Amino acid sequence: QQPVQSPQAVILREGEDAVINCSSSKALYSVHWYRQKHGEAPVFLMILLKGGEQKGHDKISASFNEKKQQSSLYLTASQLSYSGTYFCGTGHILTGGGNKLTFGTGTQLKVEL
Amino acid sequence: DTGVSQNPRHKITKRGQNVTFRCDPISEHNRLYWYRQTLGQGPEFLTYFQNEAQLEKSRLLSDRFSAERPKGSFSTLEIQRTEQGDSAMYLCASRWDRGVAGGPRYEQFFGPGTRLTVL
Repeated sequence: QQPVQSPQAVILREGEDAVINCSSSKALYSVHWYRQKHGEAPVFLMILLKGGEQKGHDKISASFNEKKQQSSLYLTASQLSYSGTYFCGTGHILTGGGNKLTFGTGTQLKVEL
Repeated sequence: DTGVSQNPRHKITKRGQNVTFRCDPISEHNRLYWYRQTLGQGPEFLTYFQNEAQLEKSRLLSDRFSAERPKGSFSTLEIQRTEQGDSAMYLCASRWDRGVAGGPRYEQFFGPGTRLTVL
């Protein structure tokens, strides 16, 4: 089942902070965050793994609450380049060790001057 | 450029025609994924390869869809007898195998996609 993201859309002034939430009805093994600009490929931002391992962007942080089956992405001191649609993807192990991502509903973020 | 590449970038076809898309993953990645994305939605998983073996297929992948990765490098996705509902962006992603020097890595790197329009 598709993770639910909130908010659906947010408009920020440059320099403001934002939080994007991702909730799953299923137990989470890993959460992947991507940003996608219109007409472009999703770009990897952050991954959080069960057990606390975290890798990703140095200007963006995230949290992962396994018990609540939730993840949050924190964007601080937003820049114009942060504009785009943010997707969380929950990871599911596949045969042979692959990792299927089920993407959330998306959050449209726009940063203005 | 060492990223994932996809061709063509755009494809317009008439209903009932067959189309084929190509994906060239990052060279050292042995796992390859296909996703489909419709307007305003996140990508949806279609199928997955480990080397040349197709190990998983989504129920979204009807009999009209077939994917191959003959030598474990590039992959093709073919849609036969296209329908208007097939119109979407088709994304390819690749990933490192676990255990490569540097530890397990899980990021999927996406290509720019092929936008299919079925008239």
